Amino acid sequence: NAGVTQTPKFQVLKTGQSMTLQCAQDMNHNSMYWYRQDPGMGLRLIYYSASEGTTDKGEVPNGYNVSRLNKREFSLRLESAAPSQTSVYFCASRTGGGETQYFGPGTRLLVL
Amino acid sequence: AQKITQTQPGMFVQEKEAVTLDCTYDTSDPSYGLFWYKQPSSGEMIFLIYQGSYDQQNATEGRYSLNFQKARKSANLVISASQLGDSAMYFCAMREALGTGTASKLTFGTGTRLQVTL
Repeated sequence: NAGVTQTPKFQVLKTGQSMTLQCAQDMNHNSMYWYRQDPGMGLRLIYYSASEGTTDKGEVPNGYNVSRLNKREFSLRLESAAPSQTSVYFCASRTGGGETQYFGPGTRLLVL
Repeated sequence: AQKITQTQPGMFVQEKEAVTLDCTYDTSDPSYGLFWYKQPSSGEMIFLIYQGSYDQQNATEGRYSLNFQKARKSANLVISASQLGDSAMYFCAMREALGTGTASKLTFGTGTRLQVTL
């Protein structure tokens, strides 16, 4: 039982390049989330998926797109990376009736 | 909009002593949840403890307890018998409903860095 997994763990991009961050959970959770964490700040919500087949914007969605591929997987795509997207990205999941969100290990992204 | 405030950027505590990390919140929702997460230097976010707004008793999980004072809108984390492995960043967070369904998000404070010393 791996919980929430994320790939890659670390990535360096050049400005304008694209990439997809992958997230998968094996806890049969309905809701999945993408957050970003910047220095000196708490986590901020980028996008979320309340259930399979639905996605919605969070606080800071600009420059990102998401896909809820199935119940297990929720990916985050940067179409044209910018230095302002240098951050640590966390995926999280939560069961429908539960309160707690469980986080993946994070992806450190550096955009040059 | 909801807000979480953690006023202590950094704290020091001696091993085996207790320490309190402060968290105040602001919300107009009658139903909410409060969380504490630990982030060690390795970077992962580890769930520690949860308190629901309607819970009558303060939450406890092993050496962690949440001192919930609803009237003061505070949800302080108390760590008893500190250990060197408790050195980490600690985040207070509050559940905020999204839309009309069961979806919710977490609003985080800026964190408190705890250093446990010998």
